[in-house]
Amino acid sequence: GAGVSQSPSNKVTEKGKDVELRCDPISGHTALYWYRQSLGQGLEFLIYFQGNSAPDKSGLPSDRFSAERTGGSVSTLTIQRTQQEDSAVYLCASSVGTGTGNTIYFGEGSWLTVV
Amino acid sequence: AQSVSQHNHHVILSEAASLELGCNYSYGGTVNLFWYVQYPGQHLQLLLKYFSGDPLVKGIKGFEAEFIKSKFSFNLRKPSVQWSDTAEYFCAVTARAAGNKLTFGGGTRVLVKP
Repeated sequence: GAGVSQSPSNKVTEKGKDVELRCDPISGHTALYWYRQSLGQGLEFLIYFQGNSAPDKSGLPSDRFSAERTGGSVSTLTIQRTQQEDSAVYLCASSVGTGTGNTIYFGEGSWLTVV
Repeated sequence: AQSVSQHNHHVILSEAASLELGCNYSYGGTVNLFWYVQYPGQHLQLLLKYFSGDPLVKGIKGFEAEFIKSKFSFNLRKPSVQWSDTAEYFCAVTARAAGNKLTFGGGTRVLVKP
């Protein structure tokens, strides 16, 4: 596609429910990132997929958070047993490669509200 | 820990004033440097980037940034701001030493008064 596509754009869920957020990176991009932006906060790194290498999961805040990237393309971020503090905008980004000299492009985000 | 620091959290200035936002990073070796902007209610957009070559980089909307390797800095500048520059600005770095993961500074909220 022309840009990084994320869905849903907005999601309201009840505390304790599971949610799945989808990211469709730019075609041909091998690197994919997930970030979280909470109200009034900066951008918090969550997870980074780099080609066929093992993902860098060092930013996932708890074991309720997981992400998959199937076939080297689409990625799904899953949050289990959602809590109110999970409310945030979840941003996906992608880049052509994983080395230096690559520009990283962001999607418009999925706004998650846990009530 | 290796990181990216933006010294100013909030900046308020009047139209036509000059803007400079500081960014320092702590990674050694090869780095790529970025400034992103987020206008109110909008998603992140790339303002400019430095990969190699001329350390003075020009971006969109009249912004420029200078990479000073000896100071581990990549400060953003604009000589004369407009009300429409009101936004949050994020410095970001990828470093080979950090596995090329994109790491952001904490952001600087800029308010330009008309």
